[in-house]
Amino acid sequence: SQQGEEDPQALSIQEGENATMNCSYKTSINNLQWYRQNSGRGLVHLILIRSNEREKHSGRLRVTLDTSKKSSSLLITASRAADTASYFCATVSGAGTALIFGKGTTLSVSS
Amino acid sequence: EAGVAQSPRYKIIEKRQSVAFWCNPISGHATLYWYQQILGQGPKLLIQFQNNGVVDDSQLPKDRFSAERLKGVDSTLKIQPAKLEDSAVYLCASSLVAGTDQPQHFGDGTRLSIL
Repeated sequence: SQQGEEDPQALSIQEGENATMNCSYKTSINNLQWYRQNSGRGLVHLILIRSNEREKHSGRLRVTLDTSKKSSSLLITASRAADTASYFCATVSGAGTALIFGKGTTLSVSS
Repeated sequence: EAGVAQSPRYKIIEKRQSVAFWCNPISGHATLYWYQQILGQGPKLLIQFQNNGVVDDSQLPKDRFSAERLKGVDSTLKIQPAKLEDSAVYLCASSLVAGTDQPQHFGDGTRLSIL
């Protein structure tokens, strides 16, 4: 079953603009992770935020986590055409280590 | 370091036939996962191995799917017999250890089409 739900399902922006994707989940978590998937390729880990953290940065990426609302957001600043991909949030809960993914947001960045 | 290797990249079979996928994780990674990704959806876990033992196979349709991890390294996933609904990308992932804070490293997957 899917844990996270990303919003929007699809996003189209121009190069240089910021892109914001949101993720909501249902149960308590240990951490939430964001992955990128280019067309026809596997998933690439972007960033992990633990349940006791509220914000994390990595390069042009900023992730926030609100456990009271069971939601997270991924901000990509100054988008590039190379950022065109699908972005998935995934949660880890309980004693398990397997990821439970949402359906993803498809980001298109045009030059 | 070399990434997770999967083969074949593509496979087309008819329903009721059998098929097998192979995965070679990153060297030294103890934990291996198989995911099924249906078009337009996020990956769904099928089975998780820790070394050569099964940790979680609760979502594996065991009447038709089987998986093994020989000597705690390579793994194979088999479907027999295949159904139309099995059309999907099968992704293998590995992580260094089984900690909850470990990122997973994915292969490029095998795209399976059932005719």
